Amino acid sequence: DIQMTQSPSSLSASVGDRVTITCRASQSISSHLNWYHQKPGTAPKVLIYAASSLQSGVPSRFSGSGSGTEYTLTISSLQPEDFATYYCQQSYITPWTFGHGTKVEIK
Amino acid sequence: QVQLQESGPGLVRPSGTLSLTCSVSGASISSDFWSWIRQPPGKGLEWIGYMYYSGSTNYNPSLKSRVTISADTSTNHFSLNVKSVTAADTAVYYCARGSGWNADHRFDSWGQGTLVIVSS
Repeated sequence: DIQMTQSPSSLSASVGDRVTITCRASQSISSHLNWYHQKPGTAPKVLIYAASSLQSGVPSRFSGSGSGTEYTLTISSLQPEDFATYYCQQSYITPWTFGHGTKVEIK
Repeated sequence: QVQLQESGPGLVRPSGTLSLTCSVSGASISSDFWSWIRQPPGKGLEWIGYMYYSGSTNYNPSLKSRVTISADTSTNHFSLNVKSVTAADTAVYYCARGSGWNADHRFDSWGQGTLVIVSS
């Protein structure tokens, strides 16, 4: 299985901050990388697919980049509704696997 | 708008079979991929497996010997069965649609999730 390692596991930030979350795959996944966020008690929601494509309806403050084994999710200006847990997921090979999550909390 | 809704027992006895159904509206299960994903309380996400509209399936090896995903195209729902459950199978279970090909493939629609507790 491809292991997905996210860092940090949690972070504290303020509204308006620029936030960056990193995801590293245990082997190259050729941009088959998706980002989701999840609020307590709700299902995950896709933000970014194919490493850098913005899912329809997702605000443009979210962006993704990366290649090979290293990927990044950036929130350019954190908004109150962005406090959540963020997961990366590889769709390169089954079993599709998720990172362990990054919890973004209010500072 | 695609909507998915999980249903099934919230409590299953150890060694029993967990059975859930996902009802789909706004899309046909005769296209795209349809997956089950679970999340133990306070933990991360685990993909269980998918059913492709052609009828083919693909399961996570961690559960493969115990899992079956099937579909009823006449009612537009698909189902999950996990046999020989233990407490480790306690989780919120989500059904989700996978759309797109190759690098574009992602879970773009999810059910609200249903908590299944394995306990005697």
